[in-house]
Order: sequence, then structure tokens, then C-alpha cells
Amino acid sequence: DAGITQSPRHKVTETGTPVTLRCHQTENHRYMYWYRQDPGHGLRLIHYSYGVKDTDKGEVSDGYSVSRSKTEDFLLTLESATSSQTSVYFCAISAGPGPTTDNEQFFGPGTRLTVL
Amino acid sequence: AQSVAQPEDQVNVAEGNPLTVKCTYSVSGNPYLFWYVQYPNRGLQFLLKYITGDNLVKGSYGFEAEFNKSQTSFHLKKPSALVSDSALYFCAVILSGGYNKLIFGAGTRLAVHP
Repeated sequence: DAGITQSPRHKVTETGTPVTLRCHQTENHRYMYWYRQDPGHGLRLIHYSYGVKDTDKGEVSDGYSVSRSKTEDFLLTLESATSSQTSVYFCAISAGPGPTTDNEQFFGPGTRLTVL
Repeated sequence: AQSVAQPEDQVNVAEGNPLTVKCTYSVSGNPYLFWYVQYPNRGLQFLLKYITGDNLVKGSYGFEAEFNKSQTSFHLKKPSALVSDSALYFCAVILSGGYNKLIFGAGTRLAVHP
């Protein structure tokens, strides 16, 4: 978890409320990712970033948006939270584009989000 | 479509015995494979990866994995399990299309009993 922090670590919110999760890194890595972890599904990619202001969708992006205004910060926003977005959210970083170099991803400690 | 399968939800092994956690994959092109471990209330930690070369890959904490192209498998192994190895293990593969995107298996919970 070194070099990657996520905030908040726990959040309970109500349906329809906007929520923003923050990922902060001190490694100066170019690539950043948001995943959600749900039982039976492993981790699924929500959005990713390949540079400041450069982002794209992953496999489960509906209902989520992201922003990256600085190398070190990657924000995930749930525009209007739903109960199906109750999950544990992980941020990850990697130094390079892969697949043969710098392709390990390093993960933050996670944010547990509950939507009531 | 690219995918990763971990056929066992849970693996139970006695301390000191060898352990195997199974992973099979389906990819287009060359497979770039990873194993991660997750301890309770923690993020994922990188264990090892296969990119090319020797089919037996050695990683952290005494773990190794064997890449088998004909069986499209990448099983995680350890010769002698420790109670402290008890955790959730994920196999992953890099998706085609660049940007180092990973697709994960559903995970296998390893329980090592004293």
C-alpha cells in the first residue's frame, strides 16, 4: 500500500447522493485505475487514466465518472449513488503501459462504500 | 472474449503440505499473467508474473507459478504452506488494447490449518 492512499476509507451514504472517492499517489506513476471488488466477481475495472486529463472507460463504467487534473490524484465520482454500487473500491497505479514492461499494478488500501 | 477462471472458491491445506491454487485463462495473443494476494482488510499485493521465458516463475513469500500454454493454465504453488499464507488469491491477465488493463479471476480463498 506504500505510496497510494485512498479517502475516505469507509463511507455510508444514501441512494441518490453524489459521492466522490479520492486516490492519491506519491510514486509519480502515469497510469491509474479504479476497480470495484464484489464477492464472486473478483475485481472489475471501472475507469482508468493514462495521463493527466486522459481517461477512459473500463468494463463496468455505467454510473461512474472520473477526473485526473494532476498526476498524483485520480477521483472517482458516483453521480447518483445506488444500492448496486455498494462495494469495495480499489485504486491502482502502474509505471508503464505494459504488457512487457512496468506492468505490475500496485493497489491502495481500498474504500468500503455502503449505499443505503 | 478474454477471461480468467479460478475454478475453486476455497482451497484447504494443512500447514507444511504443498499447496496449489488453480487458474486458467483465455486470451487472444500472448498471455501476460499475474498472481495477487489479498489479506483481510488490505489491498492486493503483487506476488509474481509471467511475461515470457521460463515456464516456472518464482515470486514473493516462496510462491511460484507454472505457466502451461497447452493447458492454458497458470497455477500458483508453494512447496510447504504456512498458516500465514491464508488469504484471498487472485489470478489476472492483461487485456489486449494497451494501457495495462487487467482482468481478474473471481478469487480463491486459501485456508491453511495448523
